[in-house]
Amino acid sequence: EVQLVESGGGLVQPGGSLRLSCTASGFTFSTYEINWVRQAPGKGLEWVSYISSSGSTIDYADSVKGRFTLSRDNAKNSLFLQMNSLRAEDTAVYYCARDGSAAGKGLFDYWGQGTPVTVSS
Amino acid sequence: QSALTQPASVSGSPGQSITITCTGTSSDVGTYNYVSWFQQHPGKAPKFMIYDVSNRPSGVSNRFSGSKSGNTASLTISGLQAEDEADYYCSSYTSTTTLYVFGTGTKVTVL
Repeated sequence: EVQLVESGGGLVQPGGSLRLSCTASGFTFSTYEINWVRQAPGKGLEWVSYISSSGSTIDYADSVKGRFTLSRDNAKNSLFLQMNSLRAEDTAVYYCARDGSAAGKGLFDYWGQGTPVTVSS
Repeated sequence: QSALTQPASVSGSPGQSITITCTGTSSDVGTYNYVSWFQQHPGKAPKFMIYDVSNRPSGVSNRFSGSKSGNTASLTISGLQAEDEADYYCSSYTSTTTLYVFGTGTKVTVL
């Protein structure tokens, strides 16, 4: 069974940092692209970041570019989102989502349960 | 890159059919067939319902169907059931600075 489990969310002050993790199981992690998608309270879904299967290609939404860094460790079936200079508008539930297309089509076929991030003083 | 435009809400009675639209631009929906649809119940993660405009993943009811015309994609739910009451989001690959874009979301109410 394909599973994605996020962790690392919590309460952080504006300007602070947080590192989210996404651990995968049930599929060959190293052959799939993974994305982070967030959802602010009561709002819609927003794509945040993408990483290729090898980790060689990474992309970010303009809203987080320069502040967030995405990486992966295929040996540990894990993905890491380092979030720096956090702002109130980064408050959201963060989901990791697998791209099942293996071709960067944005076919988000499996999602984790999400980890909440709250940026507040 | 602005979000794709969806109606805020759509409602229907059990057994009826409803259609949710998702309007983008020539930079996303109008050019690429990489349109997906997701269902989200309150407090839950999104569920993958349609991909590549009109394809259903295994396990998704054939009451759900997708289509596209020009810059607008559509999700139709036939034989509406109480369990279909949820929020629905479309998404598309985009050639702009944002790799993927989601729709604004539609709340489906079963009357």
